Amino acid sequence: DAGVIQSPRHEVTEMGQEVTLRCKPISGHDYLFWYRQTMMRGLELLIYFNNNVPIDDSGMPEDRFSAKMPNASFSTLKIQPSEPRDSAVYFCASSFMGTGANVLTFGAGSRLTVL
Amino acid sequence: GIQVEQSPPDLILQEGANSTLRCNFSDSVNNLQWFHQNPWGQLINLFYIPSGTKQNGRLSATTVATERYSLLYISSSQTTDSGVYFCAVDFTGTASKLTFGTGTRLQVTL
Repeated sequence: DAGVIQSPRHEVTEMGQEVTLRCKPISGHDYLFWYRQTMMRGLELLIYFNNNVPIDDSGMPEDRFSAKMPNASFSTLKIQPSEPRDSAVYFCASSFMGTGANVLTFGAGSRLTVL
Repeated sequence: GIQVEQSPPDLILQEGANSTLRCNFSDSVNNLQWFHQNPWGQLINLFYIPSGTKQNGRLSATTVATERYSLLYISSSQTTDSGVYFCAVDFTGTASKLTFGTGTRLQVTL
């Protein structure tokens, strides 16, 4: 398997623009997670899905953030409108709970810079 | 509140040295994982270890759940071990909602 695939790897945009980050999880995995990493706050869980259903979105910072998982092989994280404080590395991770051990595999991340 | 504390925050080693990284957590857990973030930012899962001891090559980990700590041992360190080591735990009972510690930044020099 190619692992967890994220795109774009880098995005530079201006304040107020819409940003869409994409993730393809590992085939067969039933959990998908979106994390954000910043120097100030470290790694934070934003939202996670189980079998394409959002389970916990309590980490989503505000209404400007939304995430969808229309099928088992694709998820998006959207920020609209973007603000400079959204600048961070956004990671997608997936896992398979089948053995009872929810071991996360991370993608390479999407580095977002909002000017 | 819920806390995951890692120590030391920074560590510099010469190649070949051994080290122990510590993770203390404030509540009972049913999922604990160690990750390595390399200098290029990639997060790699090292261990799933909610309890007990595991070994993988030069790395080993031990979690004593009753005393709320986990240790990561690195033996005969190499420059490729450099990066940040994170402990992540789930306190919710779902085994899914991992809270990450602030990490230990390791630099291995020649």
